[in-house]
Amino acid sequence: EAQVTQNPRYLITVTGKKLTVTCSQNMNHEYMSWYRQDPGLGLRQIYYSMNVEVTDKGDVPEGYKVSRKEKRNFPLILESPSPNQTSLYFCASSLMAGGPNEQFFGPGTRLTVL
Amino acid sequence: AQSVTQLGSHVSVSEGALVLLRCNYSSSVPPYLFWYVQYPNQGLQLLLKYTSAATLVKGINGFEAEFKKSETSFHLTKPSAHMSDAAEYFCAVSETDSWGKFQFGAGTQVVVTP
Repeated sequence: EAQVTQNPRYLITVTGKKLTVTCSQNMNHEYMSWYRQDPGLGLRQIYYSMNVEVTDKGDVPEGYKVSRKEKRNFPLILESPSPNQTSLYFCASSLMAGGPNEQFFGPGTRLTVL
Repeated sequence: AQSVTQLGSHVSVSEGALVLLRCNYSSSVPPYLFWYVQYPNQGLQLLLKYTSAATLVKGINGFEAEFKKSETSFHLTKPSAHMSDAAEYFCAVSETDSWGKFQFGAGTQVVVTP
């Protein structure tokens, strides 16, 4: 089944404790992206990757890191989480042939930072 | 910077009535435009997209959207609401010269009453 998977689905952590949220897709998509969703703000893009070893900042990259060493994986790293990073996070992937295309979203990771 | 405005955070419609969700973008150059739907506790799914081929775009589940350059709008409509249309709807844009970067609107929650 074609899908985007995220792990963990739920995470409660404390301020300053490094964490990684994994994202994997099995559709051979070049493009992958991370978003955070907060009430009243919609989705805001954190980082995106047009292909392996190519990453760029979205609108809210502060406090986050990403890497794209393999086509299928795009982990999101919070080196020192803070309470304002409590949010619902979505990973997405897409074919980008000739322009932006349909993004396929993962099920989301709900992160709480105490 | 590009911005997306969705007018109305909540919309209530009667079953069988017209659904109209408004989206305006700020770019002077028509971007790529998308509408996504999010059902409770799920990721987002694409309803339709505009990529300059036609101003009236038909999507899934009976939805369609019309691109109006003069009004910088991309409003979403469905002639007859169904109970299953209850969800949150997001308008999204991507610039033609920066494919990977996306901005989403704040979302419109649709409630369908019997």
